Amino acid sequence: AQSVAQPEDQVNVAEGNPLTVKCTYSVSGNPYLFWYVQYPNRGLQFLLKYITGDNLVKGSYGFEAEFNKSQTSFHLKKPSALVSDSALYFCAVRGDNTDKLIFGTGTRLQVFP
Amino acid sequence: GAGVSQSPRYKVAKRGQDVALRCDPISGHVSLFWYQQALGQGPEFLTYFQNEAQLDKSGLPSDRFFAERPEGSVSTLKIQRTQQEDSAVYLCASSDFLGTGKHFGDGTRLSIL
Repeated sequence: AQSVAQPEDQVNVAEGNPLTVKCTYSVSGNPYLFWYVQYPNRGLQFLLKYITGDNLVKGSYGFEAEFNKSQTSFHLKKPSALVSDSALYFCAVRGDNTDKLIFGTGTRLQVFP
Repeated sequence: GAGVSQSPRYKVAKRGQDVALRCDPISGHVSLFWYQQALGQGPEFLTYFQNEAQLDKSGLPSDRFFAERPEGSVSTLKIQRTQQEDSAVYLCASSDFLGTGKHFGDGTRLSIL
Protein backbone atom coordinates (compact mmCIF):
# COMPACT_ATOMS: atom_id res chain seq x y z
CA ALA A 1 0.00 0.00 0.00
CA GLN A 2 1.10 3.55 -0.68
CA SER A 3 2.22 5.68 2.23
CA VAL A 4 4.29 8.71 3.15
CA ALA A 5 6.05 9.60 6.37
CA GLN A 6 6.94 13.02 7.70
CA PRO A 7 9.39 12.38 10.53
CA GLU A 8 9.35 15.90 11.96
CA ASP A 9 6.33 17.34 13.75
CA GLN A 10 7.88 20.81 13.68
CA VAL A 11 10.73 22.56 11.92
CA ASN A 12 12.09 25.87 13.16
CA VAL A 13 14.20 28.12 10.97
CA ALA A 14 15.33 31.72 11.01
CA GLU A 15 14.12 34.05 8.30
CA GLY A 16 16.54 34.16 5.39
CA ASN A 17 17.97 30.71 6.11
CA PRO A 18 17.34 27.71 3.89
CA LEU A 19 14.61 25.32 4.98
CA THR A 20 14.00 21.63 4.47
CA VAL A 21 10.86 19.68 5.34
CA LYS A 22 11.37 15.95 5.09
CA CYS A 23 9.18 13.30 3.50
CA THR A 24 9.83 9.65 2.72
CA TYR A 25 7.55 7.42 0.72
CA SER A 26 6.65 3.79 0.22
CA VAL A 27 4.93 2.82 -3.01
CA SER A 28 4.35 -0.04 -5.35
CA GLY A 29 5.01 1.14 -8.87
CA ASN A 30 5.87 4.66 -9.90
CA PRO A 31 5.41 7.32 -7.23
CA TYR A 32 3.21 10.35 -7.82
CA LEU A 33 4.21 12.71 -5.01
CA PHE A 34 2.80 16.04 -3.88
CA TRP A 35 3.38 18.83 -1.40
CA TYR A 36 0.57 20.96 0.01
CA VAL A 37 0.55 23.84 2.49
CA GLN A 38 -2.23 24.64 4.92
CA TYR A 39 -2.72 27.98 6.66
CA PRO A 40 -4.94 28.25 9.76
CA ASN A 41 -8.63 27.66 9.04
CA ARG A 42 -7.94 27.20 5.34
CA GLY A 43 -7.90 24.30 2.94
CA LEU A 44 -4.79 22.84 1.38
CA GLN A 45 -2.92 24.78 -1.27
CA PHE A 46 -0.98 22.88 -3.92
CA LEU A 47 2.75 23.62 -3.98
CA LEU A 48 4.27 21.12 -6.38
CA LYS A 49 4.22 17.56 -7.65
CA TYR A 50 6.51 14.90 -9.03
CA ILE A 51 5.23 12.47 -11.62
CA THR A 52 8.19 11.84 -13.86
CA GLY A 53 11.15 13.69 -15.31
CA ASP A 54 13.66 15.88 -13.53
CA ASN A 55 14.35 14.97 -9.93
CA LEU A 56 14.29 18.62 -8.90
CA VAL A 57 10.76 19.96 -9.08
CA LYS A 58 10.05 23.66 -8.83
CA GLY A 59 6.77 24.88 -7.42
CA SER A 60 4.87 27.84 -6.08
CA TYR A 61 6.20 30.58 -3.77
CA GLY A 62 9.84 29.66 -4.40
CA PHE A 63 9.54 26.12 -3.07
CA GLU A 64 11.19 23.13 -4.69
CA ALA A 65 11.45 19.46 -3.91
CA GLU A 66 14.04 16.84 -4.68
CA PHE A 67 12.94 13.35 -5.65
CA ASN A 68 15.48 10.74 -4.56
CA LYS A 69 14.60 7.23 -5.67
CA SER A 70 17.43 5.46 -3.84
CA GLN A 71 16.49 7.09 -0.54
CA THR A 72 12.74 7.04 -1.28
CA SER A 73 12.57 10.67 -0.26
CA PHE A 74 10.85 13.78 -1.54
CA HIS A 75 12.06 16.61 0.69
CA LEU A 76 10.64 20.10 0.35
CA LYS A 77 13.15 22.94 0.21
CA LYS A 78 13.41 26.67 -0.07
CA PRO A 79 16.69 28.62 -0.31
CA SER A 80 15.56 31.55 1.86
CA ALA A 81 12.68 31.24 4.32
CA LEU A 82 10.12 33.96 4.95
CA VAL A 83 8.09 34.51 8.10
CA SER A 84 5.00 34.17 5.90
CA ASP A 85 6.04 30.59 5.06
CA SER A 86 5.05 29.58 8.59
CA ALA A 87 2.27 27.03 8.11
CA LEU A 88 1.48 23.32 8.12
CA TYR A 89 3.02 21.32 5.29
CA PHE A 90 1.74 17.99 4.03
CA CYS A 91 3.43 15.48 1.80
CA ALA A 92 1.11 13.17 -0.14
CA VAL A 93 1.26 10.23 -2.52
CA ARG A 94 -1.29 9.17 -5.07
CA GLY A 95 -3.04 5.95 -4.15
CA ASP A 96 -2.42 2.70 -5.96
CA ASN A 97 -4.51 2.64 -9.18
CA THR A 98 -6.63 5.48 -7.93
CA ASP A 99 -6.67 9.25 -7.99
CA LYS A 100 -7.07 9.70 -4.24
CA LEU A 101 -4.25 11.18 -2.17
CA ILE A 102 -2.70 9.64 0.91
CA PHE A 103 -1.32 12.31 3.22
CA GLY A 104 1.40 12.35 5.81
CA THR A 105 0.77 13.61 9.31
CA GLY A 106 2.08 17.06 8.52
CA THR A 107 5.02 19.20 9.60
CA ARG A 108 4.55 22.57 11.19
CA LEU A 109 7.08 25.06 9.86
CA GLN A 110 7.89 28.01 12.08
CA VAL A 111 10.02 30.78 10.59
CA PHE A 112 11.36 33.25 13.15
CA PRO A 113 12.19 36.85 12.23
CA GLY B 1 -16.06 32.28 -7.51
CA ALA B 2 -13.13 30.55 -9.10
CA GLY B 3 -12.34 28.15 -6.29
CA VAL B 4 -13.94 25.23 -4.51
CA SER B 5 -16.67 26.48 -2.18
CA GLN B 6 -17.83 24.64 0.92
CA SER B 7 -20.75 25.44 3.17
CA PRO B 8 -21.31 25.90 5.97
CA ARG B 9 -17.82 26.87 7.15
CA TYR B 10 -18.73 25.89 10.70
CA LYS B 11 -21.38 23.51 11.94
CA VAL B 12 -22.26 22.65 15.50
CA ALA B 13 -24.66 19.79 16.11
CA LYS B 14 -25.82 17.73 19.03
CA ARG B 15 -24.93 14.09 19.16
CA GLY B 16 -27.52 12.08 17.29
CA GLN B 17 -28.49 14.81 14.84
CA ASP B 18 -28.07 14.48 11.10
CA VAL B 19 -25.89 16.97 9.21
CA ALA B 20 -25.35 17.80 5.54
CA LEU B 21 -22.21 19.42 4.19
CA ARG B 22 -22.12 20.97 0.74
CA CYS B 23 -19.34 21.27 -1.81
CA ASP B 24 -19.37 23.39 -4.98
CA PRO B 25 -16.42 22.30 -7.12
CA ILE B 26 -14.66 24.38 -9.72
CA SER B 27 -16.84 24.57 -12.81
CA GLY B 28 -16.04 21.83 -15.27
CA HIS B 29 -14.05 19.69 -12.86
CA VAL B 30 -15.09 16.08 -13.30
CA SER B 31 -13.45 14.64 -10.20
CA LEU B 32 -14.56 15.44 -6.66
CA PHE B 33 -13.09 14.15 -3.42
CA TRP B 34 -14.07 14.30 0.23
CA TYR B 35 -11.49 14.11 3.01
CA GLN B 36 -11.78 14.13 6.79
CA GLN B 37 -9.12 15.95 8.80
CA ALA B 38 -9.10 15.30 12.52
CA LEU B 39 -7.40 17.82 14.79
CA GLY B 40 -3.63 17.66 14.40
CA GLN B 41 -3.78 15.04 11.67
CA GLY B 42 -3.41 14.87 7.93
CA PRO B 43 -6.50 14.62 5.73
CA GLU B 44 -7.88 11.12 5.25
CA PHE B 45 -9.72 10.06 2.13
CA LEU B 46 -13.44 9.43 2.41
CA THR B 47 -14.89 9.12 -1.08
CA TYR B 48 -14.40 10.04 -4.74
CA PHE B 49 -16.72 10.91 -7.62
CA GLN B 50 -16.10 11.11 -11.30
CA ASN B 51 -18.99 13.15 -12.64
CA GLU B 52 -22.03 11.67 -10.89
CA ALA B 53 -20.52 8.23 -10.39
CA GLN B 54 -19.16 7.40 -6.95
CA LEU B 55 -16.12 5.36 -7.89
CA ASP B 56 -14.59 4.84 -4.47
CA LYS B 57 -16.21 5.03 -1.07
CA SER B 58 -13.72 2.88 0.74
CA GLY B 59 -12.81 5.63 3.20
CA LEU B 60 -16.28 6.23 4.60
CA PRO B 61 -15.95 5.19 8.25
CA SER B 62 -19.42 3.76 8.69
CA ASP B 63 -22.81 3.43 7.06
CA ARG B 64 -23.81 6.66 8.80
CA PHE B 65 -21.78 8.51 6.17
CA PHE B 66 -23.31 9.02 2.76
CA ALA B 67 -22.21 11.18 -0.18
CA GLU B 68 -23.91 12.07 -3.41
CA ARG B 69 -23.32 14.13 -6.53
CA PRO B 70 -26.51 13.63 -8.51
CA GLU B 71 -25.83 15.97 -11.43
CA GLY B 72 -22.07 15.68 -11.53
CA SER B 73 -21.49 19.08 -10.02
CA VAL B 74 -22.44 19.97 -6.43
CA SER B 75 -21.85 17.25 -3.86
CA THR B 76 -23.32 16.70 -0.43
CA LEU B 77 -21.78 14.69 2.39
CA LYS B 78 -24.39 13.56 4.87
CA ILE B 79 -23.71 12.17 8.31
CA GLN B 80 -26.56 10.52 10.13
CA ARG B 81 -26.86 10.10 13.91
CA THR B 82 -23.69 12.07 14.49
CA GLN B 83 -21.25 11.01 17.19
CA GLN B 84 -18.52 12.94 18.94
CA GLU B 85 -15.80 11.18 16.97
CA ASP B 86 -17.26 12.72 13.81
CA SER B 87 -15.91 16.10 14.94
CA ALA B 88 -13.36 17.12 12.32
CA VAL B 89 -12.78 19.37 9.36
CA TYR B 90 -14.32 17.99 6.19
CA LEU B 91 -12.43 19.02 3.07
CA CYS B 92 -13.66 18.85 -0.48
CA ALA B 93 -11.35 18.90 -3.50
CA SER B 94 -11.92 18.87 -7.23
CA SER B 95 -9.75 18.28 -10.26
CA ASP B 96 -10.13 18.33 -14.01
CA PHE B 97 -10.11 15.27 -16.23
CA LEU B 98 -6.32 15.43 -16.51
CA GLY B 99 -5.97 15.15 -12.75
CA THR B 100 -3.29 17.75 -12.92
CA GLY B 101 -3.82 19.02 -9.42
CA LYS B 102 -6.45 18.99 -6.79
CA HIS B 103 -8.00 22.25 -5.64
CA PHE B 104 -9.21 22.20 -2.07
CA GLY B 105 -11.97 24.17 -0.45
CA ASP B 106 -11.51 25.78 2.96
CA GLY B 107 -13.46 23.00 4.62
CA THR B 108 -16.36 22.67 7.02
CA ARG B 109 -15.44 22.44 10.67
CA LEU B 110 -17.94 20.09 12.30
CA SER B 111 -18.26 20.03 16.08
CA ILE B 112 -20.49 17.44 17.72
CA LEU B 113 -21.52 18.26 21.28
